Amino acid sequence: DTAVSQTPKYLVTQMGNDKSIKCEQNLGHDTMYWYKQDSKKFLKIMFSYNNKELIINETVPNRFSPKSPDKAHLNLHINSLELGDSAVYFCASSPSTGTDTQYFGPGTRLTVL
Amino acid sequence: QKEVEQNSGPLSVPEGAIASLNCTYSDRGSQSFFWYRQYSGKSPELIMSIYSNGDKEDGRFTAQLNKASQYVSLLIRDSQPSDSATYLCAVNMPGGGFKTIFGAGTRLFVKA
Repeated sequence: DTAVSQTPKYLVTQMGNDKSIKCEQNLGHDTMYWYKQDSKKFLKIMFSYNNKELIINETVPNRFSPKSPDKAHLNLHINSLELGDSAVYFCASSPSTGTDTQYFGPGTRLTVL
Repeated sequence: QKEVEQNSGPLSVPEGAIASLNCTYSDRGSQSFFWYRQYSGKSPELIMSIYSNGDKEDGRFTAQLNKASQYVSLLIRDSQPSDSATYLCAVNMPGGGFKTIFGAGTRLFVKA
């Protein structure tokens, strides 16, 4: 009964490939997020969805495209992967937007060779 | 100026001592403040949240908020080796609704 789950846990791929990461939450939360944590452990928000609607879209290359088919799922598709995309990607959810605590998934470690 | 600043450490304290972690933030309109703990290779997990000026205590943890000084801190009393982790300060800042900005984290080592 994992609260926020992500697949896959590890992803190793070549430059130029396209890959997707999936996230699901069973907490009944309205808001979901994607974060990128780089090698220096800095955690930076990429996107946020509230009830399937995009509400935060940080300065992220348009090779990254999030999709939320319903409020329990938020996927991240990355086109034309680059070396600099190597990082840990965390999905998170919160009851609503604004000031709520966020609950994080286990992370997906992406390595681009 | 970085939006949320923390001393990256490492901060090393002996077992049983008080560990003091500090964080400053740039936006006076910020509404809520969080401390997350992240063990190596794991995801962040919430330790404390604080919304109003003053102190908030939960077990061995005390969060302190001073909005006038734009400062939030976390005290860990009776530090244990299991407290060794990276502590992330997070601040919800206005801007298209609110978004959570994380500091770079402070690495804490508690020596047995």
